[in-house]
Amino acid sequence: QKEVEQDPGPLSVPEGAIVSLNCTYSNSAFQYFMWYRQYSRKGPELLMYTYSSGNKEDGRFTAQVDKSSKYISLFIRDSQPSDSATYLCAIFSGGYQKVTFGTGTKLQVIP
Amino acid sequence: DGGITQSPKYLFRKEGQNVTLSCEQNLNHDAMYWYRQDPGQGLRLIYYSQIVNDFQKGDIAEGYSVSREKKESFPLTVTSAQKNPTAFYLCASSISQNQPQHFGDGTRLSIL
Repeated sequence: QKEVEQDPGPLSVPEGAIVSLNCTYSNSAFQYFMWYRQYSRKGPELLMYTYSSGNKEDGRFTAQVDKSSKYISLFIRDSQPSDSATYLCAIFSGGYQKVTFGTGTKLQVIP
Repeated sequence: DGGITQSPKYLFRKEGQNVTLSCEQNLNHDAMYWYRQDPGQGLRLIYYSQIVNDFQKGDIAEGYSVSREKKESFPLTVTSAQKNPTAFYLCASSISQNQPQHFGDGTRLSIL
């Protein structure tokens, strides 16, 4: 079993839709959770960083962590064509342990 | 502007040749990392460095080498021993190793 599982998509939604992106993980020691956005031929850009269960909101983006289910989500409200990218989850346990990345979900927002 | 600069954007390697990928950061971050990204796979850690003059192997270090002589620079050499070097290489840095990483825009390496 992979440490982090992420559906590769692609996920196609109409402009204005609410998008839900998800990852599951297997190691209960993971405490820190990140979401990155990666445009084609670019490096990943940090979107959200959280270390607790519950929700964290930043503009149109909400990160949700459920440690009991080992499940994390990124919600995008009022999706825009400019949100079309690959979204990577990243998880680590802290204490100088390495970060484990999901394989990414490709999102396409159709005008 | 603060950030991470990788160069070149595209690089071609001949058989038997060593090539060096550059990574420079002006964020004053202590930790730096090199990842390899292949289609359908997550980022895989090649090497990382927590401090100047110190670095550790990641999960796929064979065929690669690094140096960390300056805080802002962490070059990666892809040696001829790396038999499948075609990939997108990403450099990242963080304030310390247990903080979020920030990435450069990558170097795409191909074989001639």
